[in-house]
Formats: sequence, structure tokens, C-alpha cells
Amino acid sequence: GAGVSQTPSNKVTEKGKYVELRCDPISGHTALYWYRQSLGQGPEFLIYFQGTGAADDSGLPNDRFFAVRPEGSVSTLKIQRTERGDSAVYLCASSLSGGADTQYFGPGTRLTVL
Amino acid sequence: AQRVTQPEKLLSVFKGAPVELKCNYSYSGSPELFWYVQYSRQRLQLLLRHISRESIKGFTADLNKGETSFHLKKPFAQEEDSAMYYCALLGAGSYQLTFGKGTKLSVIP
Repeated sequence: GAGVSQTPSNKVTEKGKYVELRCDPISGHTALYWYRQSLGQGPEFLIYFQGTGAADDSGLPNDRFFAVRPEGSVSTLKIQRTERGDSAVYLCASSLSGGADTQYFGPGTRLTVL
Repeated sequence: AQRVTQPEKLLSVFKGAPVELKCNYSYSGSPELFWYVQYSRQRLQLLLRHISRESIKGFTADLNKGETSFHLKKPFAQEEDSAMYYCALLGAGSYQLTFGKGTKLSVIP
């Protein structure tokens, strides 16, 4: 079946602009995760959804970052007033029901802030 | 705080030689450990997890709680093993993976 998909694959924006990154999880997966991977680093946790609610947003770096999952499927990560330091690959993952279930990753969105 | 350390940024081995990718972790409880792999131009994918005790593509990893290590091993490297390898930890009762910085494995023909 189809894996996790993310759009766009690449996004170039200017400092101060607003961006939205989209994630389509595997059908039937209730748990959804966002991670951020900076150059030379491993992925770092941002936020975890169980169904429609954000169960843990402790990894969001500041209040410019926000994510939603209104119908318990597709999720959107929103970044306001982008800064050059936000440049990274943003990864989405989903798992069947959370906990220790295997997390399946999407291809990522490469965000470049000029 | 939990932490995963992969001391080698790059590891080059000849085809047919043994491979060992090192992973050490810091965690106060009983974690679950994973190895993820990313082949060129592909997404991150699970290679193996310690709880399943499987051998995937000839790779094995044993959790050593005394040394807090979870090294990935393969007796004979193949060219198609060239990839980026990430060790990751899941804390007890948690859901967020903590990743190491990754090791790039290059298998020389």
C-alpha cells in the first residue's frame, strides 16, 4: 500500500514568510509524528498526534511553529515568520496506534529559508 | 535526559569485510533500541529493532545493557549496504524516538 507522503518535497522561502508543510499518513494509522533533521544531525522530535489531538508538542522550538490534524488523518505543520535557522528537512512519520509501534517515515520536505 | 551517540561519522570498509557500526545510549530505564537506514535518495526505513531479535539483510544487533550499547554488525559487507545508518532509542512508555547523528557506511568494491 501507499506509504507516508509529504508535500511539497522542496520549499524555498524568504525570511519572514509563512509556510505550510503537509503530511499524509498511512491509511488507518492513528499516530502521527513530526521530526526535523538539520544538516549533519539525526531527526529531532517536534510533535506527536494521537488522532486529532496533539498529545505532545514539547519538541516544537518556539511559538512560531504550530501543527494541526483536524480530521485525524492529514497533518499540516505551520511555520510563521520563518528564519534562516528553520532551514532543515522536515520529516513526518506515522504508526498504527503509537507507543512502541514501528514508525514509518515519509520522504521529507526540504525547507530552505533565504 | 536520553541520548544516543554514534561515534563514527563515516565508516569505509571493503566488500566482504566485517562491519560494525557503533551505538551507545544514555537512558535511566529500559529502552527499546532501533536501527534505521537511509539509502541514497530513499526515505528513512526501519532496519531492525532489538526486541524482535531478527537478522535483516545479514545485519544483527545485540542490546548490551551493561555497556549501554547496541552495535550493528554484519560479517560480510556488500556494496548495496552503502547508506546512512541511524541508531534510535524509544524510552519506556514513550513514543518519541531519539536519534543519533548517524554513520555513513561506504562499502568499497
